Amino acid sequence: GQSLEQPSEVTAVEGAIVQINCTYQTSGFYGLSWYQQHDGGAPTFLSYNALDGLEETGRFSSFLSRSDSYGYLLLQELQMKDSASYFCAVVDNYGQNFVFGPGTRLSVLP
Amino acid sequence: DGGITQSPKYLFRKEGQNVTLSCEQNLNHDAMYWYRQDPGQGLRLIYYSQIVNDFQKGDIAEGYSVSREKKESFPLTVTSAQKNPTAFYLCASSIADTQSYEQYFGPGTRLTVT
Repeated sequence: GQSLEQPSEVTAVEGAIVQINCTYQTSGFYGLSWYQQHDGGAPTFLSYNALDGLEETGRFSSFLSRSDSYGYLLLQELQMKDSASYFCAVVDNYGQNFVFGPGTRLSVLP
Repeated sequence: DGGITQSPKYLFRKEGQNVTLSCEQNLNHDAMYWYRQDPGQGLRLIYYSQIVNDFQKGDIAEGYSVSREKKESFPLTVTSAQKNPTAFYLCASSIADTQSYEQYFGPGTRLTVT
């Protein structure tokens, strides 16, 4: 089977740094993606890791360790608008199948 | 503006009726996907299509059907066989970009069946 685990909720204050972890067990693995979804909205793509290491995109960074079946999303200089749900997703079968985690709800407090 | 459109935003149906959700994209993407999202949950893949006239079942295809007669369109029919059809339905598309496998999502259709 395929399963992904993420913390259900994380709370932090404006300007802080927060890390959202994701562990996965999948039959096939090609890479790990991260998506952001505001309440009632559509998910938007944040990052993708196929190889071990850190990928940085502005205030957001994503890390992958294939040997540990583990990744994380790092959000720096938190802003109120970062309050949303964050999903990790395993890409397998050359992008033909995507398995999403349950999501982590991030609340940013003033 | 390029993007994905889904209509309607809200849909109400009586139990026992089939209903078709629309998904159109003008991004010239080959691949299209349908997901279901229940409150407080992640996305679950219903069907996907990599090319016109071909589609594959995802993890929860039972009670759903799709067609892909045109590259731009990938409608989803929720049949009366689907036991719990009330959910938020999201359509997505992607190019075969092996650098990111980025998916672009439509705004979603919230289906309520009573």
